Amino acid sequence: QKEVEQNSGPLSVPEGAIASLNCTYSDRGSQSFFWYRQYSGKSPELIMFIYSNGDKEDGRFTAQLNKASQYVSLLIRDSQPSDSATYLCAVAGNTGKLIFGQGTTLQVKP
Amino acid sequence: KAGVTQTPRYLIKTRGQQVTLSCSPISGHRSVSWYQQTPGQGLQFLFEYFSETQRNKGNFPGRFSGRQFSNSRSEMNVSTLELGDSALYLCASSPGSGRALEQFFGPGTRLTVL
Repeated sequence: QKEVEQNSGPLSVPEGAIASLNCTYSDRGSQSFFWYRQYSGKSPELIMFIYSNGDKEDGRFTAQLNKASQYVSLLIRDSQPSDSATYLCAVAGNTGKLIFGQGTTLQVKP
Repeated sequence: KAGVTQTPRYLIKTRGQQVTLSCSPISGHRSVSWYQQTPGQGLQFLFEYFSETQRNKGNFPGRFSGRQFSNSRSEMNVSTLELGDSALYLCASSPGSGRALEQFFGPGTRLTVL
């Protein structure tokens, strides 16, 4: 079992829709959770982080964390073609080491 | 504030050679982490340096090593290069203490081993 799992996609949504990206992790001691966006040929860019159970909103992005279910998700409201990218989920335990999932490719179609 | 810089951006080497990559973190950041990214394996953690000490290490062979200097700049070295070492090598910096784990990536060094 991989430590951090994501559906590789591609996830295709129409412009203006809500995109829902999901991630599960295996280490129950994980404490910090991050979402990165990576455009093709570019390096990952941090877009959200969450430490506590519940929802955290930042503009069109909402991160959701459920530690009991070992599940973290990212919602993108009013999806735009510029949101088309690979979204990487990353999880850190108390050692601080960041473990990344394989990423989900999102395609937003005009 | 200037972002994370990595040099060189592109590198071509042959099998058996060694290579050194450099990373300058964001000013004030004390932690530098290195990752290898390939299409098949994704982003894999190599090691993390904090205040000149290796704090975390991934599951890579001893051919991969690193160090950090007193100004927080870091270098990564790969000896006896293999074809499978062809990848994008990314470094990321963070403040590094407490919960300040948010990492910011540099543009990467694209290494091709022939």
